[in-house]
Amino acid sequence: SYVLTQPPSVSVAPGRTARITCGGNNIGSKSVHWYQQKPGQAPVLVNYYDSDRRSGTPGRFSGSNSGNTATLTIIRVEAGDEADYYCQVWDPSGDPWVFGGGTKLTVL
Amino acid sequence: EVQLVESGGGLVQPGGSLRLSCAVSGFTVSTSYMSWVRQAPGKGLEWVSCIYSVGSTHYADSVKGRFTISRHNFKNTLYLQINSLGVEDTAVYFCARIYGASARTFYFDLWGQGTLVTVSS
Repeated sequence: SYVLTQPPSVSVAPGRTARITCGGNNIGSKSVHWYQQKPGQAPVLVNYYDSDRRSGTPGRFSGSNSGNTATLTIIRVEAGDEADYYCQVWDPSGDPWVFGGGTKLTVL
Repeated sequence: EVQLVESGGGLVQPGGSLRLSCAVSGFTVSTSYMSWVRQAPGKGLEWVSCIYSVGSTHYADSVKGRFTISRHNFKNTLYLQINSLGVEDTAVYFCARIYGASARTFYFDLWGQGTLVTVSS
């Protein structure tokens, strides 16, 4: 089955840039989607198809995907961006919907 | 307004059963692809099951044979019958709509708030 690897945590100061990575074998050939989950809330789709922002997602969020790594980049990080972020792909080799383990973004 | 509202969670003993419901408004369940995703306490997201508009169903290996996904078209509601529960099934269960141009691009664009299932003696 396909495995997605995310760093457990990323810390960044307000106003700086956060980069959350999602590693997978040849992930660049897949379509990667990103979800934001704040404590006690349901996940919310923020980016899909590697780099498309969902309506309502701030323009500070962007995505990229190449080779073995997909990245969610958040520029000018704000306190409200503090959350868990999950990447997701579809892969038929096992359970088809695969999530990364999640990355806790802490705004210092 | 689009809403997905789960219910039916609770405390159940190991080996027990529950039926989870997801009442949907704002779009039609029967013409959508729908899914259940769960999250154990303090853990990440895990896909559980899905049902396509044509009625075909799919399950994660961890729940195959124990969980059954279904829908009621008139009530516009999604269900998950969960049987033979074990402590490892303790989680918040979310219903979500699947969206995407094709299978390889599928993602979850709408989520409910979740319902907590606790399996304990």
